[in-house]
Amino acid sequence: GESVGLHLPTLSVQEGDNSIINCAYSNSASDYFIWYKQESGKGPQFIIDIRSNMDKRQGQRVTVLLNKTVKHLSLQIAATQPGDSAVYFCAETMYSGGGADGLTFGKGTHLIIQP
Amino acid sequence: KAGVTQTPRYLIKTRGQQVTLSCSPISGHRSVSWYQQTPGQGLQFLFEYFSETQRNKGNFPGRFSGRQFSNSRSEMNVSTLELGDSALYLCASSPRDRGATNEKLFFGSGTQLSVL
Repeated sequence: GESVGLHLPTLSVQEGDNSIINCAYSNSASDYFIWYKQESGKGPQFIIDIRSNMDKRQGQRVTVLLNKTVKHLSLQIAATQPGDSAVYFCAETMYSGGGADGLTFGKGTHLIIQP
Repeated sequence: KAGVTQTPRYLIKTRGQQVTLSCSPISGHRSVSWYQQTPGQGLQFLFEYFSETQRNKGNFPGRFSGRQFSNSRSEMNVSTLELGDSALYLCASSPRDRGATNEKLFFGSGTQLSVL
């Protein structure tokens, strides 16, 4: 599949503020999107997912927004905490294809929390 | 429940050698996927195994191979190592059955391979 990209390699926010991490995807056939968080020395950790029949999905302190018209995905983190410091990846795949192609990951955004 | 376990954690090899990496999925998970992570290319899908069969394969040369055992444990092999194979190799397991999606992959911490 085509690559999924992120707008910013680094995002610095103040502790307690809300963070918004953006992702642009180019494969219009993708119908399932996932956000992962990767801390130093660890593998990616699932945060939240969304299917293309939805525009918004909320989790604990996180919200994912999907705009299929402009092929844009965003992850919002409320009240950012020091433990949120990590690299965040968006990923896409074709749910309708039975997950046949594996996940296509974006390059990642490094979220830095300022005290 | 124990997470995905990958061994070894670090590995140093020289060009031309071969290497085998091991992955033990979360108990009860039948699908195991492998990904390569490098600073330049990011995370790239290698292949996926389900019930001892390779179900999907990414865009990597035939030097990269894998297998899955009846207990769902998986191994990945890279033959004739090249400098560009230096990377973090991540294994992920999923409980999904055939026909389901890639959702909620659970990743291990990876094996950091350095090729000199």
